[in-house]
Amino acid sequence: AQSVTQLGSHVSVSEGALVLLRCNYSSSVPPYLFWYVQYPNQGLQLLLKYTTGATLVKGINGFEAEFKKSETSFHLTKPSAHMSDAAEYFCAVSDPYTGNQFYFGTGTSLTVIP
Amino acid sequence: DVKVTQSSRYLVKRTGEKVFLECVQDMDHENMFWYRQDPGLGLRLIYFSYDVKMKEKGDIPEGYSVSREKKERFSLILESASTNQTSMYLCASSLKAYDTSGGGNTQYFGPGTRLTVL
Repeated sequence: AQSVTQLGSHVSVSEGALVLLRCNYSSSVPPYLFWYVQYPNQGLQLLLKYTTGATLVKGINGFEAEFKKSETSFHLTKPSAHMSDAAEYFCAVSDPYTGNQFYFGTGTSLTVIP
Repeated sequence: DVKVTQSSRYLVKRTGEKVFLECVQDMDHENMFWYRQDPGLGLRLIYFSYDVKMKEKGDIPEGYSVSREKKERFSLILESASTNQTSMYLCASSLKAYDTSGGGNTQYFGPGTRLTVL
């Protein structure tokens, strides 16, 4: 069985500060890992994903995430927060061999303080 | 680019009404999904379909049914709407797992339908 834990349902950062959103997963096989962003009253948009290869993955809008197998983590970071980054962020995991389903975390709401 | 569209952005219905939510994707994806999203609960899978006329129950199928008569279209049906079905409904589509194009089984989402049941 797979599951995702996002630590911190709400995170606040100052504009220009580092953004760190945490995601830990549980999976019996090396998973595919995803981060999605959701702006108010919109659907989810893919930020980045890890499937195979390089463990540091770069995504859109300056975000990146690093897959750490030993820590079962896939934390999302951005060096300098912008006001436009305020949104809900979801981490998700899927089994690349048997699963077409995703397992989502409960989300982290990011507030950027001017 | 993948495009997933949903029939309505906002919908208001009365208790007991039959409600249809429709989702269409234009990328020939095999898989389609219906989720509901509630504050603090994240996304919960209602049903998914991996082929035409095929469906599988997700985590919370009670009170819902689905229909997939064509590959590009996946409908969610609330047979008799209740107030506890007030929620944001999100549709998604993906290729099957084992896809070798590099896209993996990334899910692409529609804009969502915010349903209010009075």
